[in-house]
Amino acid sequence: GAVVSQHPSRVICKSGTSVKIECRSLDFQATTMFWYRQFPKQSLMLMATSNEGSKATYEQGVEKDKFLINHASLTLSTLTVTSAHPEDSSFYICSASIRDFEAFFGQGTRLTVV
Amino acid sequence: GQNIDQPTEMTATEGAIVQINCTYQTSGFNGLFWYQQHAGEAPTFLSYNVLDGLEEKGRFSSFLSRSKGYSYLLLKELQMKDSASYLCAVRDSNYQLIWGAGTKLIIKP
Repeated sequence: GAVVSQHPSRVICKSGTSVKIECRSLDFQATTMFWYRQFPKQSLMLMATSNEGSKATYEQGVEKDKFLINHASLTLSTLTVTSAHPEDSSFYICSASIRDFEAFFGQGTRLTVV
Repeated sequence: GQNIDQPTEMTATEGAIVQINCTYQTSGFNGLFWYQQHAGEAPTFLSYNVLDGLEEKGRFSSFLSRSKGYSYLLLKELQMKDSASYLCAVRDSNYQLIWGAGTKLIIKP
């Protein structure tokens, strides 16, 4: 299947700093990329949908000024958690898809804010 | 609203067969997906159904009935490594994936 690379896999940062997570589709051009957040023992929670060259669409309750998404090309989307706080600690996962095919997931990023 | 229901947890014995059900109510339908997720890892794709019927892929099979808003994932010859969460997701009319909460499958020797 297609490969989606997410980096970094783990990051620990201090409260108040910003963290950038990259999501790359390595062997296909993704029309859409999705960013999810997952708390322990819970399912995926969609944060935002990102289409190349346009602004991301955020789900209700997700602060767009806190979770900055940039989708600069068909193969790269980034999520920046700004002014991170301990409650932002979570597992963040991106996925990339082409309209009629399944979503391919990155490896996920475990963010710990201390 | 949109809703995906699947059991929270199931237990089965190594070598046996288990069926994980998923019912859905969504705005439109453009396919149903099953993913496997081991703890601490991202989901991995298992199966995709867009037409009614059974799709078989090795030890795993997935069934869909669009008129009933129902799907199941069937796992045969269970192995210990099959212990994981199984996520049902439906792609709606906006091509957005709506996720179930996942079914934690516990395999016992």
